[in-house]
Amino acid sequence: AQSVSQHNHHVILSEAASLELGCNYSYGGTVNLFWYVQYPGQHLQLLLKYFSGDPLVKGIKGFEAEFIKSKFSFNLRKPSVQWSDTAEYFCAVNRPAGTASKLTFGTGTRLQVTL
Amino acid sequence: GAVVSQHPSRVICKSGTSVKIECRSLDFQATTMFWYRQFPKQSLMLMATSNEGSKATYEQGVEKDKFLINHASLTLSTLTVTSAHPEDSSFYICSASRGVEQFFGPGTRLTVL
Repeated sequence: AQSVSQHNHHVILSEAASLELGCNYSYGGTVNLFWYVQYPGQHLQLLLKYFSGDPLVKGIKGFEAEFIKSKFSFNLRKPSVQWSDTAEYFCAVNRPAGTASKLTFGTGTRLQVTL
Repeated sequence: GAVVSQHPSRVICKSGTSVKIECRSLDFQATTMFWYRQFPKQSLMLMATSNEGSKATYEQGVEKDKFLINHASLTLSTLTVTSAHPEDSSFYICSASRGVEQFFGPGTRLTVL
C-alpha cells in the first residue's frame, strides 16, 4: 500500500521567509502528486498537482513543488511567505489507474506565519 | 467550476441517534465520491468510496453497517452515521471525483453528546 510522509508537523516562519515543506511517498510505480491547503475554517483547496512532464510545477499563490523521482519526493516551496499563508498543508498521492483513484494523504504540516 | 457542497455544516446529536450528511457536486457529475474523516490536528482518513448506482467500497476497519453510504444520483452521495456515539464525533469531509482529481466539500462537524 502506498503511504505519504510529511516530516514537518508544525512550522513557524516570519513573513518574507522562504518555505520548504517535505513530502515523501512510498510507492514504486507511477503516481499523481498533489498539495492541498486548508485555511482555518475552510475546506481543502488544491494548490498544485503533478501528473507527468516538467517535474517543477507551479501552483496558485506563488507556490511551486518539485517532483524528484529518485527521492520519491514532492516538496512544496514558496520563496517568500505571507501572513495569509497560515494554514494546514497536505501532500497527497494517487495512482493514475483510470479515473477516481483513491487519494492517500500525508499527516499534514501546520504552517504559522508571524508578522 | 467543480464546487462541492455538504449539508449540514455542523450537527450536534444525542448518543444513539442517526445523522445523515449530504454531499453534492453542484456543477458537475461525479460517478465517484469519497468520504473522509478528519480528527483534530490529524490528516484525512479515507472511510469509503461511494459509487453511483452500486454499493460503496469501505476501507479496512470502517464498519459498513454503522456508516451507511448511498449514492443515488450523479450529484448526490449521503453518509448516515447510525446509532451515533461520542467516539463518532469528528469532522467528515466528502470529495467528488472528476477525472483523476478530487474536489472537496467544506466538511461537516459532528458532535455526539
